[in-house]
Amino acid sequence: ETGVTQSPTHLIKTRGQQVTLRCSSQSGHNTVSWYQQALGQGPQFIFQYYREEENGRGNFPPRFSGLQFPNYSSELNVNALELDDSALYLCASSPGQRINTIYFGEGSWLTVV
Amino acid sequence: ILNVEQSPQSLHVQEGDSTNFTCSFPSSNFYALHWYRWETAKSPEALFVMTLNGDEKKKGRISATLNTKEGYSYLYIKGSQPEDSATYLCAFIANDYKLSFGAGTTVTVRA
Repeated sequence: ETGVTQSPTHLIKTRGQQVTLRCSSQSGHNTVSWYQQALGQGPQFIFQYYREEENGRGNFPPRFSGLQFPNYSSELNVNALELDDSALYLCASSPGQRINTIYFGEGSWLTVV
Repeated sequence: ILNVEQSPQSLHVQEGDSTNFTCSFPSSNFYALHWYRWETAKSPEALFVMTLNGDEKKKGRISATLNTKEGYSYLYIKGSQPEDSATYLCAFIANDYKLSFGAGTTVTVRA
């Protein structure tokens, strides 16, 4: 048990639609990061939030956006879904801004058809 | 995107045998290296956080070493058991605190 929960666990969307994935972190973990894992690849860093502000971003287009809330929950929003967005999306949280140990959720499987 | 490579991609081990595999990462701007164990349908679980050149960490039958000057880390499993079957991920953390993951080494232990 990592104390990080994600929802939904699986979902199917149509190309062009928008999706919101949710994550609930451990209390006190004010850093949250999101990763995309496509088949056969390691997790790719999307972005990180610290105290409700984005403070790091990977090589993902602006249609990938996020929010972090004061209650340690966060969202990943993806607009104008493309087939290549089909992947496992992992949320991870850690205490503080300097990453020591991070705690992952079980992920949300997104299929875009 | 930083180049973090893990090899081999997969391996099969007989129960009781020992094994090891590699994570290669950039030797500059090093902040830390993490190892995670990821079982199917579960969350990745932190194994080790390594920060100093020459670090050696151990957790039960699993251990890891770190060489930051040449940019590699080894993970060892001694006396493999079926419950060791998982994908092992390494993550390189640069000075800007961004993580770059390798693709993982999937270990299958045969009884």
